[in-house]
Amino acid sequence: NTKITQSPRYLILGRANKSLECEQHLGHNAMYWYKQSAEKPPELMFLYNLKQLIRNETVPSRFIPECPDSSKLLLHISAVDPEDSAVYFCASSPTGVSGNTLYFGEGSRLIVV
Amino acid sequence: GDSVTQTEGLVTVTEGLPVKLNCTYQTTYLTIAFFWYVQYLNEAPQVLLKSSTDNKRTEHQGFHATLHKSSSSFHLQKSSAQLSDSALYYCALSGTEGADRLTFGKGTQLIIQP
Repeated sequence: NTKITQSPRYLILGRANKSLECEQHLGHNAMYWYKQSAEKPPELMFLYNLKQLIRNETVPSRFIPECPDSSKLLLHISAVDPEDSAVYFCASSPTGVSGNTLYFGEGSRLIVV
Repeated sequence: GDSVTQTEGLVTVTEGLPVKLNCTYQTTYLTIAFFWYVQYLNEAPQVLLKSSTDNKRTEHQGFHATLHKSSSSFHLQKSSAQLSDSALYYCALSGTEGADRLTFGKGTQLIIQP
């Protein structure tokens, strides 16, 4: 799926700061960050609709999302913890109203050492 | 709260035989949308099927599912398994109003053996 691109695809961090980037070319209004830990389903972290944050799940404060425009999404991570090791998926949907199909990006695999 | 229960763990099927992955749910939503997502190894989840209409069969890529509100089920089926069907399958539901969260089941790993 090249219509939702994420970078970097892989990163290995100590207790450092890093930002994940996502861009979608589907013309969707809603964008999401999901975290998928090993052998678990994706878990919603944040949902933006038309650049407004409308869902903010129980996520550690070291994760800060940013939506500079409706096609781009960033996730700033500060002082990562080993429990943050996971794949972070960006996703989009036509609107932020529930019931829409989610389209996922390729994911960014974070390994915390 | 809402919950989705899937066939647990690993399902192994011989190529050419039928596949059935179970999915049942509990929800307080009045109107709901159901999904089956498939995730191949080291790839992102992708939608396989979607339905919000009771008792209507939905088909895609040889798979089919029918939402049965009377039994709170949305089982995934295929008449003849292919090796390429080996993947992790998630059943998921959401309400259809507001910004409700998509609730995933725990996933079922399907392995098709020759």
